[in-house]
Amino acid sequence: AQSVTQLDSQVPVFEEAPVELRCNYSSSVSVYLFWYVQYPNQGLQLLLKYLSGSTLVKGINGFEAEFNKSQTSFHLRKPSVHISDTAEYFCAVSDKGNTPLVFGKGTRLSVIA
Amino acid sequence: DAGVTQSPTHLIKTRGQQVTLRCSPKSGHDTVSWYQQALGQGPQFIFQYYEEEERQRGNFPDRFSGHQFPNYSSELNVNALLLGDSALYLCASSLSPSGAETQYFGPGTRLLVL
Repeated sequence: AQSVTQLDSQVPVFEEAPVELRCNYSSSVSVYLFWYVQYPNQGLQLLLKYLSGSTLVKGINGFEAEFNKSQTSFHLRKPSVHISDTAEYFCAVSDKGNTPLVFGKGTRLSVIA
Repeated sequence: DAGVTQSPTHLIKTRGQQVTLRCSPKSGHDTVSWYQQALGQGPQFIFQYYEEEERQRGNFPDRFSGHQFPNYSSELNVNALLLGDSALYLCASSLSPSGAETQYFGPGTRLLVL
C-alpha cells in the first residue's frame, strides 16, 4: 500500500524568503501526485497536481513542484512567500487507476514578518 | 457555483450514540469521498460513493457506513461512537471516480465525542 512521508512537520520562514516543503512516497509504480493547502478551520484546496508529462508542475499562488521518479519525491517550492501562505500543506498520492488518495501528515508553514 | 457543502459544521455527541453527517457535492460531480482527519494528522480515506454504491473503502470498521442519493448528495453514519471518533470529517466530490480527477473538499464537520 502507498504511504506518504512529509519530512518536516513545521517549517518557519521569513516573509519574501524561498521555501521548499518535502514529500516522498513509498511506491515507484505509476502514480498521480497532489499538493493541497488547508487554511485554519477550512477544508483542503488543491494547489497543483502531477498526472503525466513535464516533471515540473506549476500551481496556484506561485507554487510549483517537481516530480522525481527515481527518488520517489514531489517537493513543493515557492520562490518568495507571503504572510498569507501560512497554512497546513498536505502531499497526497494515488496509484494510477481508481485508488483512493493517501495523504501525508502535513507540514505547517509559518511565515514570519 | 456552490462548492461542496457539509452539515452540520460542529457536533457534540456522547460515547455510544450515533451520528449522521451530510454532504452536497459540487455541481456536476457524481462521486463523493469521505475522509477522517484527526487532530494534527492528514486526512484518512473512509469510503467513496459512485452511482449510489460504495465503490472503495478504507481501513474503517463497519460502524462507519454511508449512502449516496440519486442527486449525488451523501451521508456518513457512525454508530456506537467512541472517543477516538472525535475528528474533522471531510467530504470531497469529483467529476468521476478516476484517481486523476481533482477532489474538491468541503469545509468539514467537526465531531467531538465526550
